[in-house]
Amino acid sequence: GQQVMQIPQYQHVQEGEDFTTYCNSSTTLSNIQWYKQRPGGHPVFLIQLVKSGEVKKQKRLTFQFGEAKKNSSLHITATQTTDVGTYFCAGHQGAQKLVFGQGTRLTINP
Amino acid sequence: NAGVTQTPKFRILKIGQSMTLQCTQDMNHNYMYWYRQDPGMGLKLIYYSVGAGITDKGEVPNGYNVSRSTTEDFPLRLELAAPSQTSVYFCASSYSPGQGFDSPLHFGNGTRLTVT
Repeated sequence: GQQVMQIPQYQHVQEGEDFTTYCNSSTTLSNIQWYKQRPGGHPVFLIQLVKSGEVKKQKRLTFQFGEAKKNSSLHITATQTTDVGTYFCAGHQGAQKLVFGQGTRLTINP
Repeated sequence: NAGVTQTPKFRILKIGQSMTLQCTQDMNHNYMYWYRQDPGMGLKLIYYSVGAGITDKGEVPNGYNVSRSTTEDFPLRLELAAPSQTSVYFCASSYSPGQGFDSPLHFGNGTRLTVT
């Protein structure tokens, strides 16, 4: 079945440093979604990418979808303590079931 | 709008007991989902529904049952609780214009279940 892998599993940075998480699928994705889960909270939708090579920005967050639609990345510039949490990518292969990656847990030293 | 509401927030069960996790949404979404999240892990799909009266299995359906008699409600039933079912359970819903497979999920706050 379809697998979505995320790396790294954990990342600890100093406040102000950049952060990147990578998402790789074993199959071509019709689209990819990114979610953020604060500690003790529930996943919250951040963004969706649909087109090959698509790049979207939300303030300090930059999301990319690979040309082959098999990988994606989330980059945070100059992290802040409010960025703490676990970031999940999730992909559709064209069916109803959205498959989540394992997530990257980001912790920040203020 | 309340969004997706899950009850209870916490529950401790003894092995072999049964319980129903409640989930209701007021956004008129026709897609609903149940996920479980084990500590430090991602989300695994248990069951999903594309509309009232229609349910289907996800990745990890064993030990669970669901029903969808209305658009709003999607309860998850555990018949014989086992320690392996200790987890945080999230209900989610999404809108589906057209095929709607790419609609973002709206999650409830979760139910933390411990089976001892």
